Amino acid sequence: NAGVTQTPKFQVLKTGQSMTLQCAQDMNHNSMYWYRQDPGMGLRLIYYSASEGTTDKGEVPNGYNVSRLNKREFSLRLESAAPSQTSVYFCASSESPGQGRDTQYFGPGTRLTVL
Amino acid sequence: GEDVEQSLFLSVREGDSSVINCTYTDSSSTYLYWYKQEPGAGLQLLTYIFSNMDMKQDQRLTVLLNKKDKHLSLRIADTQTGDSAIYFCAESNDYKLSFGAGTTVTVRA
Repeated sequence: NAGVTQTPKFQVLKTGQSMTLQCAQDMNHNSMYWYRQDPGMGLRLIYYSASEGTTDKGEVPNGYNVSRLNKREFSLRLESAAPSQTSVYFCASSESPGQGRDTQYFGPGTRLTVL
Repeated sequence: GEDVEQSLFLSVREGDSSVINCTYTDSSSTYLYWYKQEPGAGLQLLTYIFSNMDMKQDQRLTVLLNKKDKHLSLRIADTQTGDSAIYFCAESNDYKLSFGAGTTVTVRA
């Protein structure tokens, strides 16, 4: 039981390049999330998927797209990377959305640098 | 996030108690959480408290909630070197967790 896995762990891009960050969970969770973490700012929600087949914008969606490929996988795509997207990206999953003690489980993160 | 505020740094001697403070703004939050992030790793849920509780104790961890002042604290008793990490306070609002900027706790010998 690996929990939440993310690939790649590290990536360096040039401005304007595109890439997809992959996330998979093996806990049969319904909901999945993408966050970015920047120094002094905590985690900010980019997009989330409450259930398979649905996606919604979070707090900072501009410059990103997502795909909920199936129940296990949720990918984040940068179509044209910008230096402002240099950050650490975390994927998380939870059994269901909504308030409650429904814990979000986090992956180890992808450290992205855009030059 | 701007809705949740924490002090950025805390230095504590090994064996002493650590107290990390947090203030939040959303009075409708049902649950409040403390997450721990070790270097190079993702976030790990440490504990949570339901908003109708004042206190929750879990081994070395004690969470205090003052709902009137929207103040949450995490006390770690007998702090160990393995407790060195970044600690995030978070409040829940529907699907969304709003995180503070994190408090970096350094444990010195």
